[in-house]
Amino acid sequence: SYELTQPPSVSVSPGQSASITCSGYNLGNKYTCWYQQKPGQSPVLIIYQDAKRPSGIPERFSGSNSGNTATLTISGTQDMDEADYYCQAWDSSTEGVFGTGTKVTVL
Amino acid sequence: EVQLVQSGAEVKKPGESLKISCKVSGYSFYTYWIGWVRQRPGKGLEWMGLIYPDDSETRYSPSFQGQVSVSVDKSFTSAYLHWSSLRASDTAMYYCVRRSTDGGFDYWGQGTLVTVSS
Repeated sequence: SYELTQPPSVSVSPGQSASITCSGYNLGNKYTCWYQQKPGQSPVLIIYQDAKRPSGIPERFSGSNSGNTATLTISGTQDMDEADYYCQAWDSSTEGVFGTGTKVTVL
Repeated sequence: EVQLVQSGAEVKKPGESLKISCKVSGYSFYTYWIGWVRQRPGKGLEWMGLIYPDDSETRYSPSFQGQVSVSVDKSFTSAYLHWSSLRASDTAMYYCVRRSTDGGFDYWGQGTLVTVSS
């Protein structure tokens, strides 16, 4: 079955940029999404179709996808961005498999 | 306003059956796939399955094929996740989700906590 690998944790200082990678075979040929989940809450879609932001998602969240790696970048990280982040791949074969998840800590 | 409202927490014993629900409102129920996502305590998200309410076409993750079933009731604009025989390893939070036409799950229910313990 298809697998997506993320780093378990990423630390970032307030105001700095954080990058979270998501690796999978030929991932660049699939659409990726990213979700943010804060403790005790349901996940929220923050990026879809590799780089698009749903309405209401701050511009500091951006995405890219090429080759075997998709990347979520948080620019000017804020305390409120501390959360777990999950990538997800979409095509006819993967049908929405999630990545392993990354805990972002704002130090 | 799009809303997915799930049924309340459940405590069951191993071997028992269970059906949890997801009541949908605020959009055309028939035209979006509805899915289910599992999250075990302290663990990541796992996609389980999808159903298209208009014709009840279903798609399951290989990991969940045969372990659960998903269904809908158009008259109640609700989706369901069903187990015929629960196991302790089914203890988890379960989320219902709407699959966007652009890909991705754009709306999530509040989650239903299922605890399976003898």
